[in-house]
Amino acid sequence: GAGVSQSPRYKVTKRGQDVALRCDPISGHVSLYWYRQALGQGPEFLTYFNYEAQQDKSGLPNDRFSAERPEGSISTLTIQRTEQRDSAMYRCASSLVVGTSTDTQYFGPGTRLTVL
Amino acid sequence: DAKTTQPNSMESNEEEPVHLPCNHSTISGTDYIHWYRQLPSQGPEYVIHGLTSNVNNRMASLAIAEDRKSSTLILHRATLRDAAVYYCIRISYNTDKLIFGTGTRLQVFP
Repeated sequence: GAGVSQSPRYKVTKRGQDVALRCDPISGHVSLYWYRQALGQGPEFLTYFNYEAQQDKSGLPNDRFSAERPEGSISTLTIQRTEQRDSAMYRCASSLVVGTSTDTQYFGPGTRLTVL
Repeated sequence: DAKTTQPNSMESNEEEPVHLPCNHSTISGTDYIHWYRQLPSQGPEYVIHGLTSNVNNRMASLAIAEDRKSSTLILHRATLRDAAVYYCIRISYNTDKLIFGTGTRLQVFP
């Protein structure tokens, strides 16, 4: 079946612009996660949802970052007033059930964000 | 705080077994050990997980020490496609986020 999809795959923007990154999880998956990955580093947790409820946003770097999942399916990560330090690969993952300790997260291909 | 320690890199020859170690000396009784790997230019993919007993699946085996302070991911016959960064992740019961460390970069030579 279809895996996690993300769009756009590449986004180049100018400093100060807002960007919206989209994640479409595997159908039926309850939980959705956002990570950010700098070059040569492991993914860094940003936030996650169970259904439409945002459970943990402790990883969001500052208030320019926000995420939503209004209908419990597709999610959007929004970065306002982008800065060059926001440049990274943004990855989305989903899992079938709540609780990662006994479940698997399936990752999407990522969105490469470049802020000029 | 990734709470696990892995070597930065390891090498193997094709078709040989590979043992990737992970230290998690502060693990608690309800923490699971998960392994993910990330192939070049791809997102992470699940490999295996366990709690106390050794685990086997089609991709790999996971050997967990009796005191649970360390574990080893075993690839029985490495292939070129196994070249990746392998992440050992400790997950508390009902925790919903993965905390990745720097992982072990595995190189496989023909």
